[in-house]
Amino acid sequence: SAVISQKPSRDICQRGTSLTIQCQVDSQVTMMFWYRQQPGQSLTLIATANQGSEATYESGFVIDKFPISRPNLTFSTLTVSNMSPEDSSIYLCSVEYLGPYGYTFGSGTRLTVV
Amino acid sequence: QQQVKQSPQSLIVQKGGISIINCAYENTAFDYFPWYQQFPGKGPALLIAIRPDVSEKKEGRFTISFNKSAKQFSLHIMDSQPGDSATYFCAASIRGGSSNTGKLIFGQGTTLQVKP
Repeated sequence: SAVISQKPSRDICQRGTSLTIQCQVDSQVTMMFWYRQQPGQSLTLIATANQGSEATYESGFVIDKFPISRPNLTFSTLTVSNMSPEDSSIYLCSVEYLGPYGYTFGSGTRLTVV
Repeated sequence: QQQVKQSPQSLIVQKGGISIINCAYENTAFDYFPWYQQFPGKGPALLIAIRPDVSEKKEGRFTISFNKSAKQFSLHIMDSQPGDSATYFCAASIRGGSSNTGKLIFGQGTTLQVKP
């Protein structure tokens, strides 16, 4: 299975600032996914990132708030912009492997906004 | 219609017992149903998965039962161990849009505690 490295693993940020989360995969993958997991809650898909094209955002998530880059087949970044305490969550990167049905997750970035 | 409903929210089982977690869905276009296990501070890890053309799948102590007509599926953990204590998420995948790429819709999660 693919191995995913996410950085940073955790951060405490001031409201109004931005944080960029990095996701590095040890093999080339077509699709990368960004999820949010609010404290004690389930996972919600933010967007799908395909190399060389604009990310596709889910309802309730917008590019201005969560810009995503996907410069190559092994790397992606998610930026959480103009943060507020409501953005305090775990942000997880996921990739598709073994065809369209297998998904691996990174360990996540635990973000606290104060 | 995109929701996956999971129950119970929490579960306490004695060591050696059977843990059962249930999920229900509405969208018949879902074509892949995985279960994920998540330990604190870690990302979810794929435990076992099933396709809708199969009614049951077993891997070791973990079994998925799938009822297509009822649009329900469940995870059974046999001989539950304290090391199984974690949060479990069911999920469903649907191919969507022109990219024809599956996206995971997660259930609400079940926190399992296995008492020694």
